[in-house]
Amino acid sequence: GQQLNQSPQSMFIQEGEDVSMNCTSSSIFNTWLWYKQDPGEGPVLLIALYKAGELTSNGRLTAQFGITRKDSFLNISASIPSDVGIYFCAGGGDSGATNKLIFGTGTLLAVQP
Amino acid sequence: DGGITQSPKYLFRKEGQNVTLSCEQNLNHDAMYWYRQDPGQGLRLIYYSQIVNDFQKGDIAEGYSVSREKKESFPLTVTSAQKNPTAFYLCASSPGYEQYFGPGTRLTVT
Repeated sequence: GQQLNQSPQSMFIQEGEDVSMNCTSSSIFNTWLWYKQDPGEGPVLLIALYKAGELTSNGRLTAQFGITRKDSFLNISASIPSDVGIYFCAGGGDSGATNKLIFGTGTLLAVQP
Repeated sequence: DGGITQSPKYLFRKEGQNVTLSCEQNLNHDAMYWYRQDPGQGLRLIYYSQIVNDFQKGDIAEGYSVSREKKESFPLTVTSAQKNPTAFYLCASSPGYEQYFGPGTRLTVT
């Protein structure tokens, strides 16, 4: 099955730094979603984007729906230790009438206090 | 509280045995999904159901079976035909594109 290209694969940063990650696809999507997964837990939805060019914030997190509809970006400002985890992007609406999502390969974020 | 529950959190089975993983939601969502996650990997879709009494195969359905007799419940059976069943299994439900996940079940088969 298809998976989205997510980069970087991993990031090791100092507390207080800003973080950027992105997700690219060869397909056009109608929806982009960003999730965070803590070790041994299910992913938690952070931000949902529904319109090309849309920029949405959730606290220190900001995500953008790329204008080409083939990419999305997530930024985390002023990182803190609890930001540690794996971040997944997901695209939806590339085919048919189902609400299936295609997930990215994940970005592992480590934050050093 | 509204949400998705999966039980048990940890499950151990001997090779050759079928095992059923539970997933229940009280969010009144029509669609439900099962994913498999291996260490350091993303999520791979096993089965999904958009409505009661209907379900479709995902990308890696071989060796798995599901049922959707009630809106709230979407159990997954890992059969002995699944060659590499040890993994972390995640269930999700959605009203649309936004999927909400349960806490997962870690299955170990020896």
